[in-house]
Amino acid sequence: DTGVSQNPRHKITKRGQNVTFRCDPISEHNRLYWYRQTLGQGPEFLTYFQNEAQLEKSRLLSDRFSAERPKGSFSTLEIQRTEQGDSAMYLCASSPITDTQYFGPGTRLTVL
Amino acid sequence: AQTVTQSQPEMSVQEAETVTLSCTYDTSESDYYLFWYKQPPSRQMILVIRQEAYKQQNATENRFSVNFQKAAKSFSLKISDSQLGDAAMYFCAYRAGGTSYGKLTFGQGTILTVHP
Repeated sequence: DTGVSQNPRHKITKRGQNVTFRCDPISEHNRLYWYRQTLGQGPEFLTYFQNEAQLEKSRLLSDRFSAERPKGSFSTLEIQRTEQGDSAMYLCASSPITDTQYFGPGTRLTVL
Repeated sequence: AQTVTQSQPEMSVQEAETVTLSCTYDTSESDYYLFWYKQPPSRQMILVIRQEAYKQQNATENRFSVNFQKAAKSFSLKISDSQLGDAAMYFCAYRAGGTSYGKLTFGQGTILTVHP
């Protein structure tokens, strides 16, 4: 059973550095989503793709954040010039169109 | 904008007993989906149950069932015969229907503790 996978699982970085996370969705899923979750809170939507097209971006996704899904398969989320407020769990999910989203294990980012 | 509210930050239950977690939501849409997800400590989010708004019948998955009150915009989760493995953070989530919509809107979560 190949579920949603995310790498790395943990990332510690210094303020001002750039980081990139990868998400590999379930293979037949057209849609891929990114969420951010801070400790003790529910996930907040960042952006989602249908195949390679980025269909929606949250206002939470500042200019320092960029996401890509170049061939409609895996996706990357890059954060430039990280800030301490970026420390969070970054969750990826995938789904067929209009169906249930299945989540990966997340990447925990700590910005020192 | 759609909002989801979980008014119980924490709940506890004795093993084998029944517990109900509350969720209310606000939307002007008529077509939407509601979900309960479970997130065990340091583990990934797992779907517990899903409800389509156009279905009047409440969804059931083994020991998990919902009470969906569309007019009241209420969507509670009942866990019967609680097990130690049910201990987790539970999130209620909303998604608008139709192919144009994708994102989930989550509530704040309810931490469920199960006592042996």
